[in-house]
Amino acid sequence: GAVVSQHPSWVICKSGTSVKIECRSLDFQATTMFWYRQFPKQSLMLMATSNEGSKATYEQGVEKDKFLINHASLTLSTLTVTSAHPEDSSFYICSARDDSEDRGLYSNQPQHFGDGTRLSIL
Amino acid sequence: SQQGEEDPQALSIQEGENATMNCSYKTSINNLQWYRQNSGRGLVHLILIRSNEREKHSGRLRVTLDTSKKSSSLLITASRAADTASYFCATPKSGGSYIPTFGRGTSLIVHP
Repeated sequence: GAVVSQHPSWVICKSGTSVKIECRSLDFQATTMFWYRQFPKQSLMLMATSNEGSKATYEQGVEKDKFLINHASLTLSTLTVTSAHPEDSSFYICSARDDSEDRGLYSNQPQHFGDGTRLSIL
Repeated sequence: SQQGEEDPQALSIQEGENATMNCSYKTSINNLQWYRQNSGRGLVHLILIRSNEREKHSGRLRVTLDTSKKSSSLLITASRAADTASYFCATPKSGGSYIPTFGRGTSLIVHP
């Protein structure tokens, strides 16, 4: 089955540090990936849609300069939390659409999720 | 914006019992998906039901969709302790988007 690898699985760092999270589709190509943020016992909040070869589309209220997204290949998207502060501590999850399962731009299809990254900023 | 909301927020049952979770959404959809999340992990896709389908089965899972009531249900039959997880429904962002959005989920605990 389609596997998405997210790395690191957890990170603890000091306030002011920038942290990069990688999301890789291991056995499929993904033109589109999504980045979510999840607080304890809460829903997944969509942060941005990552598109290979073009700029990410950010959701309202998400700071583009704070959360830098790069989708340089069909199998890798990265999220960099710049100058992280304690309020950025959260569980970050990526998901990917398998291009071979694509039923069209406006068709929902199963998302393949990474295992998430728990970010703790001290 | 977020569309789907699951109900109940928490459900605690004994092994062998059935578990039913509901999802309500606001605007028209072309399909709805259910996902499972084990604690501290990513989501696993369970089932997708299209707007022209009323019921779908997958193993011990049964999903129904009522587009007139804008609601869906997920039934897990003969539950097992390993079914303990959070369950989310995913619907497209309002406005005809393909981008999935999630509710708060139902936290299911199955006691052995």
